[in-house]
Amino acid sequence: GENVEQHPSTLSVQEGDSAVIKCTYSDSASNYFPWYKQELGKGPQLIIDIRSNVGEKKDQRIAVTLNKTAKHFSLHITETQPEDSAVYFCAASSSSASKIIFGSGTRLSIRP
Amino acid sequence: ETGVTQTPRHLVMGMTNKKSLKCEQHLGHNAMYWYKQSAKKPLELMFVYNFKEQTENNSVPSRFSPECPNSSHLFLHLHTLQPEDSALYLCASSHGAGTGDEKLFFGSGTQLSVL
Repeated sequence: GENVEQHPSTLSVQEGDSAVIKCTYSDSASNYFPWYKQELGKGPQLIIDIRSNVGEKKDQRIAVTLNKTAKHFSLHITETQPEDSAVYFCAASSSSASKIIFGSGTRLSIRP
Repeated sequence: ETGVTQTPRHLVMGMTNKKSLKCEQHLGHNAMYWYKQSAKKPLELMFVYNFKEQTENNSVPSRFSPECPNSSHLFLHLHTLQPEDSALYLCASSHGAGTGDEKLFFGSGTQLSVL
């Protein structure tokens, strides 16, 4: 089955700097890669996703890149702000599967 | 609000108690999920229901019993739990599992403590 590894587990960056979180997956059949943000006391919320027919996707300060050959995908947050502090999860699934497999999470802290 | 409501938000129970967690989605989705979130395994899939049929049981102990009476409601019945079952239980929904539209919408979870 699919296995998703996520690094780093914690990340602290200065406000205004960029943050990068990296994930790898094991199943070459996976073709959907979402990223979720979880704030304290809330459930995870989808912030961006990418499918395997696209190498990069951007939404304002957030971008995701995918390298299918290496089975790597990454989340990039630019011009970080205090409200970006949260736990971020990457995930992978295939369109034929009924489940999404999550990485172990990255706790991002933005230093003022 | 994400359109997925979970009750109760907090639950404390003894090992001999029986309790139920409830989840309701107002998004018109056809798939519902239970996830367990703990420090050891941050987001661990437990069960998947697709069009009211259980399609995934991720080797969950029988002391957890799911029920999906319709596409909008999902329950998790708990009995004779162990202290290691203490965790945040998250419900989620999506348009339909295996349809290619796998966007999950999560509730805020039930924080369960087993004494």
